[in-house]
Amino acid sequence: DAGITQSPRHKVTETGTPVTLRCHQTENHRYMYWYRQDPGHGLRLIHYSYGVKDTDKGEVSDGYSVSRSKTEDFLLTLESATSSQTSVYFCAISENRVSTDTQYFGPGTRLTVL
Amino acid sequence: AQSVTQLDSQVPVFEEAPVELRCNYSSSVSVYLFWYVQYPNQGLQLLLKYLSGSTLVKGINGFEAEFNKSQTSFHLRKPSVHISDTAEYFCAVSFGSGNTGKLIFGQGTTLQVKP
Repeated sequence: DAGITQSPRHKVTETGTPVTLRCHQTENHRYMYWYRQDPGHGLRLIHYSYGVKDTDKGEVSDGYSVSRSKTEDFLLTLESATSSQTSVYFCAISENRVSTDTQYFGPGTRLTVL
Repeated sequence: AQSVTQLDSQVPVFEEAPVELRCNYSSSVSVYLFWYVQYPNQGLQLLLKYLSGSTLVKGINGFEAEFNKSQTSFHLRKPSVHISDTAEYFCAVSFGSGNTGKLIFGQGTTLQVKP
């Protein structure tokens, strides 16, 4: 299994509070991704990173920000959580960002916003 | 627009029966195709992928998939399922060549294997 951990694994928070999710990898892969998983939608890309301090938006980036200060860590922040951000969040990594590359996924974080 | 459709949201099947999970995509450019499996309360794990060459791809746990360009499909099959195959299965497609790496997922199919 790829060495990917996510913390916390579960979190319940209230609307309007800030939330930070952490993804940590031990594979030294360059690319890291944040997805959200919702019933009927599969997985949708929020943001991704292609190196330290290099990030870009995915298809559902509104309301989220990310940071990557070290190769191994990729943080996802909800500045002011809303109920629509209740979801399961997955971090993924890949060595390259070419169309043929496999992405490896972490165990997920279940976030509930009340 | 490029899209991926998994035609069945749930597939119930009895143990030791064959199963097919369907996936269709829409694209005007070249594609690379993936199947991922998600066991309860876990992350996604790669089952198999098609990049080029033989259209029949074999993966882990006895699964295989066939790429059909004319029908724009990449259906997943297993000749005899086990209770342990109960999981959610995602088809994913990467479009085009070069440094894109954008992965688009289908909605997922829940495989329920009954004893």
